[in-house]
Order: sequence, then C-alpha cells, then structure tokens
Amino acid sequence: RKEVEQDPGPFNVPEGATVAFNCTYSNSASQSFFWYRQDCRKEPKLLMSVYSSGNEDGRFTAQLNRASQYISLLIRDSKLSDSATYLCVTTSGTYKYIFGTGTRLKVLA
Amino acid sequence: DGGITQSPKYLFRKEGQNVTLSCEQNLNHDAMYWYRQDPGQGLRLIYYSQIVNDFQKGDIAEGYSVSREKKESFPLTVTSAQKNPTAFYLCASSIFEGALGYGYTFGSGTRLTVV
Repeated sequence: RKEVEQDPGPFNVPEGATVAFNCTYSNSASQSFFWYRQDCRKEPKLLMSVYSSGNEDGRFTAQLNRASQYISLLIRDSKLSDSATYLCVTTSGTYKYIFGTGTRLKVLA
Repeated sequence: DGGITQSPKYLFRKEGQNVTLSCEQNLNHDAMYWYRQDPGQGLRLIYYSQIVNDFQKGDIAEGYSVSREKKESFPLTVTSAQKNPTAFYLCASSIFEGALGYGYTFGSGTRLTVV
C-alpha cells in the first residue's frame, strides 16, 4: 500500500460547483498534513495546512480524520482559476514529507 | 524577500556529462530536499539534508550526488550514471519542531533535458 494515496482524477466540474477530494495515508504516527496546489509545469505551492479540528480559508475547507486516516479538501463555488493538480502531503518520521501523486481538477466554463 | 532560488531554469545535458543544479535559500531553514518529477507523475525524493555536512538518500538516489557545506546551499549533481535524467527537478526547504513540520517552500525548479 502506498503511504499516501489520492484519486488521480481528472475531476471535471462546472464553474460554481462544489468539489471534494480525499487522500488516505498509512502512517498513523503522521503529525502534519497539508494540501498543495501545482499548476502545469510549475512548482507546488502550499494551499493550506490541515488541522485536527478542521480549518477553512475562504472557499477552501480541509478536514482530518485520524480514525480513518484520511484528509479531505472541499472547494466551494469553483472558479476557472482553481484548475490545477492538488497534492496531499504528510510527514513520515522527522524531516521527511510524503507526497501523494495528486488529483487533477479542471473547472469548466 | 526570503525564498529559494534554483538555477538554471532550463538545462541541457549531453549523454555522459555530469551537470550540477544550484539551490540556495535565505529562509534560515535547516532542512533541504531535492525532488524529481516526471510528466504526469508525483514527486520522488532524491536526497535530503537535515543539517550542514549531513545528508541522506531518498527513494531514488542512484546516479545523483549532493553536498551541504553551507546552510543556505544544497547543490545536486546529476552524474552520467543516471540513465534517465530528463525531468523537472525541484528543491525545497523546511523547518521542523520535532516531528511537527511546517510544510515545504519550493524553488521554481530546473527542467533538465538530455540531448
């Protein structure tokens, strides 16, 4: 089993839709969780950290479920500019992060 | 402004040549990393370094070498032993407090092509 697993998509959604991605992780000792966004041929950029209590940043909401070992990202009112690949990231021991392979989102006009 | 600078942005290598990719950060981060990304695939860890003069192999270290003589710098050499070096190379840095990480900051990447 991969340490971090994501559905590769693509998720094709109309503008204004709500879309959710899940990511499962295998290391129950993982302490830190993040969602990154990567545009085509660019470096990944931190979208948001994921906290145990869940957190929201504008149209984006992240949740952590430790019992089932998954994190989620919800995007409300999708914009064309949200089209990108979303990477799930967690820690593996000290000083090491593990990336999922990413979920591709395409928002359609 | 603090950040990570990678150079060059594009690099062309002939078969059998060694090339070195530069990565410099002024964020005062202890940990630095090198990743490789192939088209349509995820990031794979090549090497990482927690402190100066120390580094560890990642998942795909064969054919690569690194050094960490200064906190700010973590250059990656792609040697002729790397059979398929064409890829997008990303350098990153991070801070940790114990097992608690605060996420990576990435450089803008170097696109290496074998010609």
